[in-house]
Amino acid sequence: QVTLRESGPALVKPTQTLTLTCTFSGFSLTTSGMCVNWIRQPPGKALEWLALIDWDDDKYYSTSLRTRLTISRDTSKNQVVLIMTNMDPVDTATYYCARGSSVTALDYWGQGTLVTVSS
Amino acid sequence: QPVLTQSSSASASLGSSVKLTCTLSSGHSYYIIAWHQQQPGRAPRYLMMLEDSGTYNKGSGAPDRFSGSSSGADRYLTISNLQSEDEADYYCETWDSNTRVFGGGTKLTVL
Repeated sequence: QVTLRESGPALVKPTQTLTLTCTFSGFSLTTSGMCVNWIRQPPGKALEWLALIDWDDDKYYSTSLRTRLTISRDTSKNQVVLIMTNMDPVDTATYYCARGSSVTALDYWGQGTLVTVSS
Repeated sequence: QPVLTQSSSASASLGSSVKLTCTLSSGHSYYIIAWHQQQPGRAPRYLMMLEDSGTYNKGSGAPDRFSGSSSGADRYLTISNLQSEDEADYYCETWDSNTRVFGGGTKLTVL
């Protein structure tokens, strides 16, 4: 059974750095083609893809946010971490992690974690 | 990088059928897409992958009432015998080796 769960702070102040952790089970991120993605959704708005890390430890980022994002993994803990710097109120959103592969869609999603950016 | 275009809203009556559309941008009509359902207050849920041939593969949680089809750059999600729980936002997704793209979503209202 594949599961993913996001964790992190519910509230961050403007200019602070956000660190989110995705803890997963039921699959291995070292399986060829596998990847874990981060996606966010501002309240009432559409999904926005942020970043992915794949089975080979390659990392890819949204063009618009790449200067602020860092994605990493700890395969021993089955965790993927997303760091976003210089947070702003417009970054207020529910952040999701999801499993995918190089040839398949995002087929399992976490329940999401709401992050509010406010002073 | 492909762009996915969806109508912002759709509505249909309880028990009827509805067909939602996701259109791939020029030059990307052969891309595989996926459909996801997001019920109010919940995380997205994967429904199916859909090829340009119209072949689709549903996820384990997708009801039998959901089906997919394709025509050129258009990818369709058809929901038959609409139920109240089908009222949700529907997103299409596509990907290549180093990025994922989502459509803007269609809000489906069941009347």
